[in-house]
Amino acid sequence: GNSVTQMEGPVTLSEEAFLTINCTYTATGYPSLFWYVQYPGEGLQLLLKATKADDKGSNKGFEATYRKETTSFHLEKGSVQVSDSAVYFCALKGTSGTYKYIFGTGTRLKVLA
Amino acid sequence: EAQVTQNPRYLITVTGKKLTVTCSQNMNHEYMSWYRQDPGLGLRQIYYSMNVEVTDKGDVPEGYKVSRKEKRNFPLILESPSPNQTSLYFCASSLSAGGGTLIYEQYFGPGTRLTVT
Repeated sequence: GNSVTQMEGPVTLSEEAFLTINCTYTATGYPSLFWYVQYPGEGLQLLLKATKADDKGSNKGFEATYRKETTSFHLEKGSVQVSDSAVYFCALKGTSGTYKYIFGTGTRLKVLA
Repeated sequence: EAQVTQNPRYLITVTGKKLTVTCSQNMNHEYMSWYRQDPGLGLRQIYYSMNVEVTDKGDVPEGYKVSRKEKRNFPLILESPSPNQTSLYFCASSLSAGGGTLIYEQYFGPGTRLTVT
């Protein structure tokens, strides 16, 4: 079945540092890929998405590129801020006819001033 | 304001006492879903609904029931709760289930923290 594997946290960075959170997936065909963010005490919010190979999703300075050859969708940001401290989830939705979502285990990011 | 609401936000109950967690959205969304969030396991989908009267199992449906009699509501029912159902539950909705490259954002509720003793 489909699965998502993301790097374990927590990840602790200083403000303005470069961020990478790794995410790899297993799925048949061409799933859609997502990054969601969860701020303390809140529900999840969509951060970015990509629906086909080589697509780059981007939002709020975050980017992720859908790499079919390496089955990866790594999240990056060039310069993190304290306000980026949150839990980040990689997720996938299968190809047509499959309406389930599969989420990774989440990676907690803490940014220090 | 467009939103997904859940009630209650916090619930402590005892083993075997039936409970319902309500979920409502005001965006006329077709697709609704329930997830549970557990440390080290991330979010796991319990059930989802494509539209009124259309529901299907997610990855962890055992011990849960759902119904979709109205488009806006998607209650989660625990007929006989057990301690292993202690978790943080999220309801989510999106305009449609989508398909192919047509993907719609899921909007999440604030969560319901359930403790079963």
